[in-house]
Amino acid sequence: AAGVIQSPRHLIKEKRETATLKCYPIPRHDTVYWYQQGPGQDPQFLISFYEKMQSDKGSIPDRFSAQQFSDYHSELNMSSLELGDSALYFCASSPRLAGGKDTQYFGPGTRLTVL
Amino acid sequence: AQSVSQHNHHVILSEAASLELGCNYSYGGTVNLFWYVQYPGQHLQLLLKYFSGDPLVKGIKGFEAEFIKSKFSFNLRKPSVQWSDTAEYFCAVNSDNQGGKLIFGQGTELSVKP
Repeated sequence: AAGVIQSPRHLIKEKRETATLKCYPIPRHDTVYWYQQGPGQDPQFLISFYEKMQSDKGSIPDRFSAQQFSDYHSELNMSSLELGDSALYFCASSPRLAGGKDTQYFGPGTRLTVL
Repeated sequence: AQSVSQHNHHVILSEAASLELGCNYSYGGTVNLFWYVQYPGQHLQLLLKYFSGDPLVKGIKGFEAEFIKSKFSFNLRKPSVQWSDTAEYFCAVNSDNQGGKLIFGQGTELSVKP
């Protein structure tokens, strides 16, 4: 079965550079969630989209922005990168925004390292 | 604000031992509860979930969890673990009126010795 695809899988950037992470949800899933997992930490919710509109926002820095496109894929744009942004970034998709009962299917994550 | 607490950070068991991982949550309203597993080098996978009904939920790979509302707990159990269960386990919660975002616990790393 098709799964959530994230690219790139690994990314190395210098401080103050920008990065773009991409997420391709499971076909017919119209809801996308982004999470950040720091070393040894639990995943923290960043932002979510439903039908191409932002549906919720968590602890996402102002330096980050995201959007969902007409084909439902989503991109997380990160600017002025800081050492503390080094983390594993997960994307998850679900079939619809039904208040939370739908299972979120996670991608393999993008490991971002900021030097 | 919602929060999830997992008491065991690292559990080491021998094969065939029984497993119970604790999870407590803090939230005043109705919640949906999940256990996810992350095998080494892999993505998060859903083990089981609870929304309503029978508080004893059965998931994949022989796992089950019991929701005890009075204790705000959702502990994960397995009668007999295998070496292949070595992984990190996350308890998570969300609520219907907060858009579906998951709040995760700190995770429990399970090591099963063959």
